[in-house]
Amino acid sequence: QKEVEQDPGPLSVPEGAIVSLNCTYSNSAFQYFMWYRQYSRKGPELLMYTYSSGNKEDGRFTAQVDKSSKYISLFIRDSQPSDSATYLCAMKAGGGADGLTFGKGTHLIIQP
Amino acid sequence: IAGITQAPTSQILAAGRRMTLRCTQDMRHNAMYWYRQDLGLGLRLIHYSNTAGTTGKGEVPDGYSVSRANTDDFPLTLASAVPSQTSVYFCASSRTGLDGTDTQYFGPGTRLTVL
Repeated sequence: QKEVEQDPGPLSVPEGAIVSLNCTYSNSAFQYFMWYRQYSRKGPELLMYTYSSGNKEDGRFTAQVDKSSKYISLFIRDSQPSDSATYLCAMKAGGGADGLTFGKGTHLIIQP
Repeated sequence: IAGITQAPTSQILAAGRRMTLRCTQDMRHNAMYWYRQDLGLGLRLIHYSNTAGTTGKGEVPDGYSVSRANTDDFPLTLASAVPSQTSVYFCASSRTGLDGTDTQYFGPGTRLTVL
């Protein structure tokens, strides 16, 4: 079993819908959780960075971490066609410079 | 400010050939990383460097080597390329903030095909 599980999709929703993206993980040492967005043939770009459990909101994006369930989520409100991309969850145990463990990514399609 | 640059953008390489992928960052970040991204497997860490002069192995280091002679450059070398090294390679860099968080920024990637 891979350390981080993420449904690859594709997930297709109409414009304006609320999108929910999720990852589960098995390593209880993970404390830092990130969501990256990756457009086709581009490098990943950071969307959200969360430490430990709780919620974090930034504009239309909300990240949730439930360490007791080893489950993280990214919610996108008022989804736009420009949100169509692959969303990667990533996590690590330590706070300093350390490699990230990624999920496989979920391909999201927002239909106009 | 360019951020992270990678070269070449893409390359087709014969098996057995030596290849160096270049990565340069202008953000004065202390840490740098190399990942490969494969369909169905996601991004996996190859090698990393916490500071100039030090390197470490990631999840999939076999067949790759790195060096970190200075802060800005972190080249990845394939000594003798094999078809299984066909992938998209991403370089990343990071600096630990005062709150202990460490944000990794990624380059645009190099698409490598080994025939």
